[in-house]
Amino acid sequence: DIQMTQSPSSLSASVGDRVTITCRASQSIRNYLNWYQQKAGTAPKLLILQSGVPSRFSGSGSGTDFTLTIRSLQPEDFATYYCQQTYSIPYTFGQGTKLEIK
Amino acid sequence: EVQLLESGGGLVQPGGSLRLSCTASGFTFSKFAMSWVRQAPGKGLEWVSAVSGNSGSTYYADSVKGRFTVSRDNSKNTLSLQMDSLRADDSAVYYCAKSIVVVLAGGDSFDIWGQGTTVTVSS
Repeated sequence: DIQMTQSPSSLSASVGDRVTITCRASQSIRNYLNWYQQKAGTAPKLLILQSGVPSRFSGSGSGTDFTLTIRSLQPEDFATYYCQQTYSIPYTFGQGTKLEIK
Repeated sequence: EVQLLESGGGLVQPGGSLRLSCTASGFTFSKFAMSWVRQAPGKGLEWVSAVSGNSGSTYYADSVKGRFTVSRDNSKNTLSLQMDSLRADDSAVYYCAKSIVVVLAGGDSFDIWGQGTTVTVSS
């Protein structure tokens, strides 16, 4: 199985900050990487390449190293973020990065 | 409105069985693979199982293989997960999720999620 490792596991930031979350795969997954946002008590939401997702969210990377960048944090962005590889079955998720308000 | 609605969760004793259902609306159900993803209390997301759009292919995580069975009824827009030989570590919120592809493949993503149903395995 492909292991997905996110860093950091938690992050404190302020409204208006720019933050970057990293996801590393245990082997190349080409660019088959998704990001999800989950707020407490709710289902995950696909974050990238979806209509309605603000342009302050961007993703980059290929192979084994990927990043999610959020420009100018807004109050509604404080949540837990997960990466997911869909290169091979079983699809696997990173352990999550909890983004908290400083 | 595109929507997924899970049901069937509850409290079950170790070794028992439970059947989860997920009813879809607002999209052509048969054109997309469907998955179950679970989240244990305070933990991260774990993909559990999936089925292709025409039920021709099913997929399982090693942790549930041989105990769980995924199925779908395209005439009723329903996805199911039959869970047998349940263990305490199966306790979680179970989400159904819609793929953007008909068969699990590279480049897939889960664009629609249900609200989840809670399964608790305890004596």
